[in-house]
Amino acid sequence: KAGVTQTPRYLIKTRGQQVTLSCSPISGHRSVSWYQQTPGQGLQFLFEYFSETQRNKGNFPGRFSGRQFSNSRSEMNVSTLELGDSALYLCASSLNGGGSEQYFGPGTRLTVT
Amino acid sequence: QKEVEQDPGPLSVPEGAIVSLNCTYSNSAFQYFMWYRQYSRKGPELLMYTYSSGNKEDGRFTAQVDKSSKYISLFIRDSQPSDSATYLCAMTFGGTGFQKLVFGTGTRLLVSP
Repeated sequence: KAGVTQTPRYLIKTRGQQVTLSCSPISGHRSVSWYQQTPGQGLQFLFEYFSETQRNKGNFPGRFSGRQFSNSRSEMNVSTLELGDSALYLCASSLNGGGSEQYFGPGTRLTVT
Repeated sequence: QKEVEQDPGPLSVPEGAIVSLNCTYSNSAFQYFMWYRQYSRKGPELLMYTYSSGNKEDGRFTAQVDKSSKYISLFIRDSQPSDSATYLCAMTFGGTGFQKLVFGTGTRLLVSP
């Protein structure tokens, strides 16, 4: 079974621009969650989608948004990029959230200059 | 105080050693406990997944959960240089609906040949 895929793997953007990241979950998984990983803060939860609905959201500003499509693929958008948004963005898929196992993709490394 | 505490290391051991990695947590409501391994510039890989207290073994890896002490451990037997990575503990609550993972900061492990 194919794992979680994320595109693109690397991105370099300029402050003020916006960016869209994509995540394809494991086949059959309906829950996709997004995390930001930085050396200072570690892994922090952004939001989770299940059946095209956002069920849970972390403590990030409204510049961070996402959506999920009917095939469970998910996108994350960051608008008006700031230098502090430079991070590894990871998505994780699970069958239905809850306590079920979450599997991570390879991440998208975003650098904001 | 962070919800999950983990010594960042680095922890350096010779090949063949038994490695002990630990996390403590403050919220007694956590019910699911995980260990992830993350190689440099890669996404976290799920190693062990346990529910509530007890032990779980998988090959060279053993996970222990002591809910009364709010303490979890991962033991690696016969450690190999390929085990050199950052190990992240994570935990989540039970119940229905999505439950975000709460991560430790990760322990960097170095296994020398």
